[in-house]
Amino acid sequence: GQQVMQIPQYQHVQEGEDFTTYCNSSTTLSNIQWYKQRPGGHPVFLIQLVKSGEVKKQKRLTFQFGEAKKNSSLHITATQTTDVGTYFCAGNAGGTSYGKLTFGQGTILTVHP
Amino acid sequence: EPEVTQTPSHQVTQMGQEVILRCVPISNHLYFYWYRQILGQKVEFLVSFYNNEISEKSEIFDDQFSVERPDGSNFTLKIRSTKLEDSAMYFCASSYRGEEAFFGQGTRLTVV
Repeated sequence: GQQVMQIPQYQHVQEGEDFTTYCNSSTTLSNIQWYKQRPGGHPVFLIQLVKSGEVKKQKRLTFQFGEAKKNSSLHITATQTTDVGTYFCAGNAGGTSYGKLTFGQGTILTVHP
Repeated sequence: EPEVTQTPSHQVTQMGQEVILRCVPISNHLYFYWYRQILGQKVEFLVSFYNNEISEKSEIFDDQFSVERPDGSNFTLKIRSTKLEDSAMYFCASSYRGEEAFFGQGTRLTVV
């Protein structure tokens, strides 16, 4: 079945440093979504990427979708302590699997003040 | 802001007992899902529900699991005979068009 791999598993940064997490799917995706989960919380939708090569920005967050629609990345510029949490990518294969998300393992981000 | 609500927030049950986890999706959403997350692990898809029927289910969602939308507002997950390995956080989610999913706060199920 479809697998979504995400690296790194953990990332510790000093406040102000940049952070990137990478996501790779075993199959071509219809779209990819990114979620953030705070400790003890639930996944919260950040963004969806649909088009090959798409790049979207949300303030300090930049999301990219690969040309082959199999990989994606999330980059945070100048991290803040409020960025702490686990960032998950989630792939949607589309077709008859419309709506089903296959999550990556997540990257746990710790930001030291 | 509309949100997905789940009850209870924490459920402790004995092995072999039946549990029902309840969810109220966002009112105009058409797609409903259950996911689970074992402590410290990734979020895993269980089942999706659309147009009053299951549209897809994972290998985890075996005969011990069932879902219902009994009254047009609630969406329930039933586990007939719980096992220790069913202990996890169960998240209900809904979406309007099968894209952006809104997750509930989760029900922490502990099987003892």
